[in-house]
Amino acid sequence: DAGVTQSPTHLIKTRGQQVTLRCSPKSGHDTVSWYQQALGQGPQFIFQYYEEEERQRGNFPDRFSGHQFPNYSSELNVNALLLGDSALYLCASSFEAPPSTGELFFGEGSRLTVL
Amino acid sequence: KQEVTQIPAALSVPEGENLVLNCSFTDSAIYNLQWFRQDPGKGLTSLLLIQSSQREQTSGRLNASLDKSSGRSTLYIAASQPGDSATYLCAVRGTDNAGNMLTFGGGTRLMVKP
Repeated sequence: DAGVTQSPTHLIKTRGQQVTLRCSPKSGHDTVSWYQQALGQGPQFIFQYYEEEERQRGNFPDRFSGHQFPNYSSELNVNALLLGDSALYLCASSFEAPPSTGELFFGEGSRLTVL
Repeated sequence: KQEVTQIPAALSVPEGENLVLNCSFTDSAIYNLQWFRQDPGKGLTSLLLIQSSQREQTSGRLNASLDKSSGRSTLYIAASQPGDSATYLCAVRGTDNAGNMLTFGGGTRLMVKP
């Protein structure tokens, strides 16, 4: 059973460019969340997708957008990249319907470096 | 707004010691609490999940406790091994009304010396 998979694992962009990160959830999971982790800090919630809609959003600007597809996979898009967007981007999946525990499972992340 | 704090930020112990990692949170309206392990440059591995109605969970040498009323959780690691060296993250999940995303602490960086 494959866990959460993310691509690409590493990428380098320059300021002002746009990036798309991809995530496939764990088998049987229907909810995908994205987190940003700066070096030496805990992850910060970006947004959550369920039934192809953004259900919740953290304190991130509109440059950060996402999408969920009918097969539950998801993309994170970041426009007009800034140096401060350099971070590890983590995707997490879960199954939310009761009696689920709501446990989140994370992928290995996509390391974005903005030069 | 939920805030999660982990103490200590870093810890170095000799192999074989029992140790306790601490996590505190400001809003007791939580759905559950998860402890994660993160190796350098890697993703998060879920270690233990405690529902808000539970007091503790155990897995092998790990035991996590939850005191929701005081806003505290501890992760106990018995007989530590060099392979336990990693960053340990505590995260609380809010109820639907409070926003059910995970709020993370800053982590405890653990080094177990042979």
